[in-house]
Amino acid sequence: RKEVEQDPGPFNVPEGATVAFNCTYSNSASQSFFWYRQDCRKEPKLLMSVYSSGNEDGRFTAQLNRASQYISLLIRDSKLSDSATYLCVVNTGGFKTIFGAGTRLFVKA
Amino acid sequence: DTGVSQNPRHKITKRGQNVTFRCDPISEHNRLYWYRQTLGQGPEFLTYFQNEAQLEKSRLLSDRFSAERPKGSFSTLEIQRTEQGDSAMYLCASTDTSKAEQYFGPGTRLTVT
Repeated sequence: RKEVEQDPGPFNVPEGATVAFNCTYSNSASQSFFWYRQDCRKEPKLLMSVYSSGNEDGRFTAQLNRASQYISLLIRDSKLSDSATYLCVVNTGGFKTIFGAGTRLFVKA
Repeated sequence: DTGVSQNPRHKITKRGQNVTFRCDPISEHNRLYWYRQTLGQGPEFLTYFQNEAQLEKSRLLSDRFSAERPKGSFSTLEIQRTEQGDSAMYLCASTDTSKAEQYFGPGTRLTVT
């Protein structure tokens, strides 16, 4: 079993739709959680950290469920520019950071 | 631009040749990571430095790979006797001790022919 698992997609949604991604992690001692966005042939860029109480940044909402060991990302009112791969990232303490394989999102006009 | 920089951006080499990549982290960051990413996968951890000390190496990092960060600033990643399976994007990221989120450079895309 992979330490961080994501549905690879792709998710194909129309503009304006709401889409949600989940990510599960295996290490219950994991401490920090993030979502990164990666455009084709570009480097990953931090989208948002994920806090225990959940957090929102504009159209993006992240949630953490420690009991079930998953995190989620909700994107409202999808834009064409949201098309990218979304990477779930888990830090298990200290330096160790594990990336999921990513979920591909295509937003269509 | 005070972000992470990497050079070269692209490298094409023949099998068996040695290659070296450079990473310049954000200046105040003391932690530096190297990752490898292949198509359809997330970045895979290769090695980690805190200041000049290399504190961890992945099992992915065979004896042909070596990394240095001699003065705790820039870092180099060398691959000796390259193989076609080494073709990938090599990413560098940095952060400081108080944070867990990492900031990535643009990567070096290696193609071994």
